[in-house]
Amino acid sequence: AQSVTQLDSHVSVSEGTPVLLRCNYSSSYSPSLFWYVQHPNKGLQLLLKYTSAATLVKGINGFEAEFKKSETSFHLTKPSAHMSDAAEYFCVVGYNFGNEKLTFGTGTRLTIIP
Amino acid sequence: GAGVSQSPRYKVAKRGQDVALRCDPISGHVSLFWYQQALGQGPEFLTYFQNEAQLDKSGLPSDRFFAERPEGSVSTLKIQRTQQEDSAVYLCASSFTGDDYEETQYFGPGTRLLVL
Repeated sequence: AQSVTQLDSHVSVSEGTPVLLRCNYSSSYSPSLFWYVQHPNKGLQLLLKYTSAATLVKGINGFEAEFKKSETSFHLTKPSAHMSDAAEYFCVVGYNFGNEKLTFGTGTRLTIIP
Repeated sequence: GAGVSQSPRYKVAKRGQDVALRCDPISGHVSLFWYQQALGQGPEFLTYFQNEAQLDKSGLPSDRFFAERPEGSVSTLKIQRTQQEDSAVYLCASSFTGDDYEETQYFGPGTRLLVL
């Protein structure tokens, strides 16, 4: 079985400061890992994905994540937060490169302080 | 349409009523997924189709839940004899499953079901 643990249910940062959202995964084989973002009353949008190529993955809107097998982590970072980044973020593990079911974490709500 | 669409967007049902939720995937997408998102939680997998074949229904919580995709395009999730614990947002996603094996699932806006 595969699972993900999002270590913080809520993160608050000031606008212009770095963002770090933490995620650890559990998998019996090499996983596919994703970060999705959900803005209020909007659908889930893919930020970035790791599927066994480069361990440092760049996504949309300046976000990136690093796959660290030794630490079983896939933390999401952004150098400078923007007000529009306020949303719910989900770390996700996928079966078969994401071709089959996705298993979501419980989510981290990111608040940006003006 | 450019994205996955779902209807209705909101549904209020009385306990015991049957409901049907519709998903229109992105045109040409082979794979279709249903997820259930309870309030304050992450989405949880319900079932998955490749064309008209239902390949995985391991996440359906009870035999009151039934999904179909008879022509390999539009899908319907049906819930019989709804219970209050069925209240959630039901999300549909589709993916191409083409030559690029690294697929992305594209999500619809969801149907918010409230059972009274």
